[in-house]
Amino acid sequence: DTGVSQDPRHKITKRGQNVTFRCDPISEHNRLYWYRQTLGQGPEFLTYFQNEAQLEKSRLLSDRFSAERPKGSFSTLEIQRTEQGDSAMYLCASSSSYGRTLTGELFFGEGSRLTVL
Amino acid sequence: AQSVTQLDSQVPVFEEAPVELRCNYSSSVSVYLFWYVQYPNQGLQLLLKYLSGSTLVKGINGFEAEFNKSQTSFHLRKPSVHISDTAEYFCAVSGLAAGNKLTFGGGTRVLVKP
Repeated sequence: DTGVSQDPRHKITKRGQNVTFRCDPISEHNRLYWYRQTLGQGPEFLTYFQNEAQLEKSRLLSDRFSAERPKGSFSTLEIQRTEQGDSAMYLCASSSSYGRTLTGELFFGEGSRLTVL
Repeated sequence: AQSVTQLDSQVPVFEEAPVELRCNYSSSVSVYLFWYVQYPNQGLQLLLKYLSGSTLVKGINGFEAEFNKSQTSFHLRKPSVHISDTAEYFCAVSGLAAGNKLTFGGGTRVLVKP
Protein backbone atom coordinates (compact mmCIF):
# COMPACT_ATOMS: atom_id res chain seq x y z
CA ASP A 1 0.00 0.00 0.00
CA THR A 2 1.79 3.11 -1.23
CA GLY A 3 -0.77 5.60 0.02
CA VAL A 4 -2.30 8.50 -1.88
CA SER A 5 0.14 10.24 -4.19
CA GLN A 6 -0.21 13.66 -5.79
CA ASP A 7 1.72 15.29 -8.59
CA PRO A 8 3.19 17.84 -8.85
CA ARG A 9 3.89 18.75 -5.23
CA HIS A 10 4.50 22.37 -6.16
CA LYS A 11 3.38 24.44 -9.14
CA ILE A 12 4.13 28.09 -9.81
CA THR A 13 2.26 29.63 -12.71
CA LYS A 14 1.34 32.99 -14.12
CA ARG A 15 -2.17 34.34 -13.94
CA GLY A 16 -4.25 33.17 -16.88
CA GLN A 17 -2.41 29.90 -17.42
CA ASN A 18 -4.02 26.47 -17.07
CA VAL A 19 -2.76 23.94 -14.55
CA THR A 20 -3.54 20.27 -13.96
CA PHE A 21 -3.01 18.19 -10.84
CA ARG A 22 -3.04 14.42 -10.68
CA CYS A 23 -4.03 12.16 -7.82
CA ASP A 24 -3.45 8.43 -7.51
CA PRO A 25 -5.57 7.00 -4.70
CA ILE A 26 -4.97 3.88 -2.64
CA SER A 27 -5.60 1.10 -5.14
CA GLU A 28 -8.56 -0.62 -3.49
CA HIS A 29 -10.40 2.62 -2.68
CA ASN A 30 -13.42 3.44 -4.80
CA ARG A 31 -13.99 6.98 -3.49
CA LEU A 32 -11.77 9.95 -4.28
CA TYR A 33 -12.06 13.49 -2.94
CA TRP A 34 -10.55 16.87 -3.74
CA TYR A 35 -10.16 19.58 -1.12
CA ARG A 36 -8.65 23.07 -1.19
CA GLN A 37 -6.74 24.52 1.74
CA THR A 38 -5.66 28.14 1.98
CA LEU A 39 -3.11 29.39 4.47
CA GLY A 40 -4.31 29.19 8.05
CA GLN A 41 -7.62 27.56 7.14
CA GLY A 42 -9.08 24.10 7.28
CA PRO A 43 -9.53 22.07 4.10
CA GLU A 44 -12.65 22.91 2.09
CA PHE A 45 -14.47 20.24 0.12
CA LEU A 46 -14.46 20.65 -3.67
CA THR A 47 -15.77 17.41 -5.16
CA TYR A 48 -15.83 13.65 -4.85
CA PHE A 49 -16.08 10.59 -7.06
CA GLN A 50 -17.36 7.11 -6.47
CA ASN A 51 -15.61 4.99 -9.06
CA GLU A 52 -15.76 7.15 -12.22
CA ALA A 53 -18.95 9.02 -11.28
CA GLN A 54 -18.66 12.54 -9.91
CA LEU A 55 -21.34 12.49 -7.22
CA GLU A 56 -21.04 15.90 -5.61
CA LYS A 57 -19.53 19.27 -6.42
CA SER A 58 -19.16 22.19 -4.05
CA ARG A 59 -20.25 25.65 -5.12
CA LEU A 60 -16.57 26.52 -4.60
CA LEU A 61 -15.88 24.60 -7.80
CA SER A 62 -16.35 27.38 -10.34
CA ASP A 63 -16.67 26.86 -14.09
CA ARG A 64 -12.90 27.23 -14.39
CA PHE A 65 -12.40 24.06 -12.37
CA SER A 66 -12.96 20.59 -13.76
CA ALA A 67 -12.23 17.21 -12.24
CA GLU A 68 -12.24 13.82 -13.89
CA ARG A 69 -11.73 10.22 -12.93
CA PRO A 70 -12.12 8.48 -16.28
CA LYS A 71 -11.41 4.87 -15.34
CA GLY A 72 -12.24 4.99 -11.68
CA SER A 73 -8.59 4.99 -10.70
CA PHE A 74 -6.50 8.19 -10.85
CA SER A 75 -8.09 11.63 -11.00
CA THR A 76 -7.13 14.99 -12.45
CA LEU A 77 -8.11 18.46 -11.32
CA GLU A 78 -7.71 21.17 -13.94
CA ILE A 79 -7.89 24.89 -13.30
CA GLN A 80 -8.30 27.05 -16.37
CA ARG A 81 -7.35 30.73 -16.60
CA THR A 82 -5.83 30.72 -13.13
CA GLU A 83 -6.33 33.70 -10.83
CA GLN A 84 -4.28 34.77 -7.83
CA GLY A 85 -7.14 33.68 -5.58
CA ASP A 86 -6.59 30.11 -6.76
CA SER A 87 -3.31 29.99 -4.85
CA ALA A 88 -3.77 27.22 -2.30
CA MET A 89 -2.88 23.67 -1.38
CA TYR A 90 -5.01 21.16 -3.29
CA LEU A 91 -5.46 17.97 -1.30
CA CYS A 92 -6.62 14.63 -2.61
CA ALA A 93 -8.01 11.88 -0.40
CA SER A 94 -9.45 8.42 -0.91
CA SER A 95 -11.63 6.00 0.99
CA SER A 96 -13.59 2.81 0.62
CA SER A 97 -17.37 2.53 0.75
CA TYR A 98 -17.40 -1.23 1.19
CA GLY A 99 -15.66 -4.01 3.01
CA ARG A 100 -15.56 -5.29 6.52
CA THR A 101 -13.77 -2.24 7.82
CA LEU A 102 -15.92 0.67 6.74
CA THR A 103 -14.32 3.29 8.93
CA GLY A 104 -15.38 6.58 7.39
CA GLU A 105 -11.73 7.64 7.39
CA LEU A 106 -10.25 9.60 4.51
CA PHE A 107 -6.61 8.96 3.60
CA PHE A 108 -4.90 12.11 2.38
CA GLY A 109 -2.04 12.72 0.00
CA GLU A 110 0.61 15.32 0.73
CA GLY A 111 -1.04 17.89 -1.47
CA SER A 112 -0.18 20.00 -4.50
CA ARG A 113 0.70 23.59 -3.66
CA LEU A 114 -0.30 26.11 -6.33
CA THR A 115 1.15 29.62 -6.47
CA VAL A 116 -0.34 31.97 -9.04
CA LEU A 117 1.79 35.04 -9.75
CA ALA B 1 -25.35 19.92 6.49
CA GLN B 2 -22.65 19.87 9.14
CA SER B 3 -20.33 22.52 10.54
CA VAL B 4 -17.36 22.44 12.89
CA THR B 5 -16.03 25.15 15.18
CA GLN B 6 -12.58 24.97 16.71
CA LEU B 7 -12.64 27.52 19.46
CA ASP B 8 -8.91 28.21 19.65
CA SER B 9 -6.91 29.20 16.60
CA GLN B 10 -3.59 28.94 18.43
CA VAL B 11 -2.52 27.18 21.63
CA PRO B 12 0.96 27.74 23.05
CA VAL B 13 1.99 25.11 25.59
CA PHE B 14 5.17 24.15 27.39
CA GLU B 15 6.80 20.79 26.83
CA GLU B 16 5.48 18.05 29.14
CA ALA B 17 2.39 20.11 30.01
CA PRO B 18 -1.12 18.90 29.16
CA VAL B 19 -3.08 20.33 26.26
CA GLU B 20 -6.76 20.40 25.31
CA LEU B 21 -8.06 21.44 21.91
CA ARG B 22 -11.73 22.26 21.76
CA CYS B 23 -14.10 21.24 18.98
CA ASN B 24 -17.85 21.74 18.69
CA TYR B 25 -19.96 20.55 15.81
CA SER B 26 -23.42 21.11 14.43
CA SER B 27 -25.41 18.51 12.55
CA SER B 28 -29.02 17.49 12.01
CA VAL B 29 -28.03 13.84 11.59
CA SER B 30 -25.83 11.35 13.37
CA VAL B 31 -22.16 11.84 12.65
CA TYR B 32 -18.71 10.36 12.68
CA LEU B 33 -16.03 12.57 14.27
CA PHE B 34 -12.33 12.79 13.52
CA TRP B 35 -9.17 14.57 14.55
CA TYR B 36 -6.40 14.99 11.99
CA VAL B 37 -2.89 16.44 12.41
CA GLN B 38 -0.97 18.33 9.75
CA TYR B 39 2.75 18.93 9.94
CA PRO B 40 4.26 21.74 7.82
CA ASN B 41 3.99 21.16 4.07
CA GLN B 42 2.41 17.77 4.55
CA GLY B 43 -0.99 16.20 4.12
CA LEU B 44 -3.35 15.27 6.92
CA GLN B 45 -2.80 12.26 9.16
CA LEU B 46 -5.56 10.69 11.21
CA LEU B 47 -5.07 10.93 14.98
CA LEU B 48 -8.31 9.28 16.08
CA LYS B 49 -11.95 8.81 15.20
CA TYR B 50 -15.31 8.25 16.86
CA LEU B 51 -17.77 6.07 14.98
CA SER B 52 -19.84 4.54 17.77
CA GLY B 53 -19.48 2.84 21.15
CA SER B 54 -17.32 4.18 23.95
CA THR B 55 -17.30 7.95 24.04
CA LEU B 56 -13.63 8.06 25.07
CA VAL B 57 -11.46 7.39 22.07
CA LYS B 58 -7.73 6.78 22.16
CA GLY B 59 -5.54 7.58 19.19
CA ILE B 60 -1.94 7.65 18.11
CA ASN B 61 0.89 9.52 19.83
CA GLY B 62 -0.87 9.52 23.21
CA PHE B 63 -3.86 11.61 22.14
CA GLU B 64 -7.42 10.94 23.25
CA ALA B 65 -10.78 12.60 22.69
CA GLU B 66 -14.19 12.44 24.30
CA PHE B 67 -17.46 12.57 22.41
CA ASN B 68 -20.19 14.46 24.24
CA LYS B 69 -23.46 14.24 22.34
CA SER B 70 -25.42 16.58 24.62
CA GLN B 71 -22.81 19.30 24.23
CA THR B 72 -22.03 18.40 20.59
CA SER B 73 -18.35 18.44 21.43
CA PHE B 74 -15.33 16.30 20.63
CA HIS B 75 -12.39 17.81 22.54
CA LEU B 76 -8.87 16.46 22.02
CA ARG B 77 -6.43 16.01 24.90
CA LYS B 78 -2.90 14.92 25.57
CA PRO B 79 -1.58 14.67 29.15
CA SER B 80 2.04 15.55 28.30
CA VAL B 81 3.13 17.13 25.02
CA HIS B 82 6.46 16.89 23.23
CA ILE B 83 8.21 19.35 20.95
CA SER B 84 7.29 17.03 18.06
CA ASP B 85 3.58 17.68 18.70
CA THR B 86 3.99 21.17 17.24
CA ALA B 87 1.56 21.08 14.32
CA GLU B 88 -1.89 22.10 13.18
CA TYR B 89 -4.83 20.03 14.38
CA PHE B 90 -8.16 19.75 12.58
CA CYS B 91 -11.45 18.47 13.88
CA ALA B 92 -13.77 17.04 11.23
CA VAL B 93 -17.26 15.59 10.97
CA SER B 94 -19.04 13.46 8.40
CA GLY B 95 -22.70 12.53 8.16
CA LEU B 96 -23.37 8.81 8.12
CA ALA B 97 -24.93 9.05 4.66
CA ALA B 98 -22.81 11.83 3.18
CA GLY B 99 -20.45 9.77 1.07
CA ASN B 100 -17.79 9.99 3.79
CA LYS B 101 -17.32 13.65 2.89
CA LEU B 102 -15.57 15.42 5.75
CA THR B 103 -16.32 18.94 6.92
CA PHE B 104 -13.35 20.48 8.72
CA GLY B 105 -12.97 23.13 11.35
CA GLY B 106 -10.58 26.03 10.89
CA GLY B 107 -7.76 24.31 12.74
CA THR B 108 -5.82 24.90 15.95
CA ARG B 109 -2.11 25.58 15.75
CA VAL B 110 -0.24 24.01 18.67
CA LEU B 111 3.15 25.47 19.47
CA VAL B 112 5.10 23.46 22.03
CA LYS B 113 7.77 25.49 23.80
CA PRO B 114 10.82 23.98 25.55
